[in-house]
Amino acid sequence: DTAVSQTPKYLVTQMGNDKSIKCEQNLGHDTMYWYKQDSKKFLKIMFSYNNKELIINETVPNRFSPKSPDKAHLNLHINSLELGDSAVYFCASSPGVGTYEQYFGPGTRLTVT
Amino acid sequence: SQELEQSPQSLIVQEGKNLTINCTSSKTLYGLYWYKQKYGEGLIFLMMLQKGGEEKSHEKITAKLDEKKQQSSLHITASQPSHAGIYLCGAADRGSTLGRLYFGRGTQLTVWP
Repeated sequence: DTAVSQTPKYLVTQMGNDKSIKCEQNLGHDTMYWYKQDSKKFLKIMFSYNNKELIINETVPNRFSPKSPDKAHLNLHINSLELGDSAVYFCASSPGVGTYEQYFGPGTRLTVT
Repeated sequence: SQELEQSPQSLIVQEGKNLTINCTSSKTLYGLYWYKQKYGEGLIFLMMLQKGGEEKSHEKITAKLDEKKQQSSLHITASQPSHAGIYLCGAADRGSTLGRLYFGRGTQLTVWP
């Protein structure tokens, strides 16, 4: 069974479109994260939710909006996509706030043309 | 924020050889986490080091933390093709208990038979 799953795995879209990436974890964890890995492989945290509440909100354009309908799901919606949004987006989860052993999903490769 | 420098950026070794990857922090380390990423997959947690001088091993991979030098090293003994991938170090933000991890840019390891 996949612990942290993301859909879709690949996403190709045009500038200006709106898209969503979904993440689900079946580990019973309370905390979930979104990371962005750019073309230079630099991995940076974007958001974190603990039990459906936003606890980390890094300097990210407000075109990015995370939503957590329940503690097992954390979705990422992106409005008005730009070329610079092209990257691999990783979802991760951990047992609780302040735990750094994080379990990552396989990533969603977003390409904006 | 924490800045982590990994060296080397890439490494190509013959199967059976030993190798070392270094991770140096711009600030005092309060926890150092090693992850491995295979192409097209998410990150896999390897090891966590929290105390100066701490050393941990998992199979043929050993990691050490030198707090004074603000540095950690990952050593692989008798490398195998299965060790190939990108190794990333992550550091906890001392000022935060929220699980915020800062990552290095990774070391790409290739092991040829």
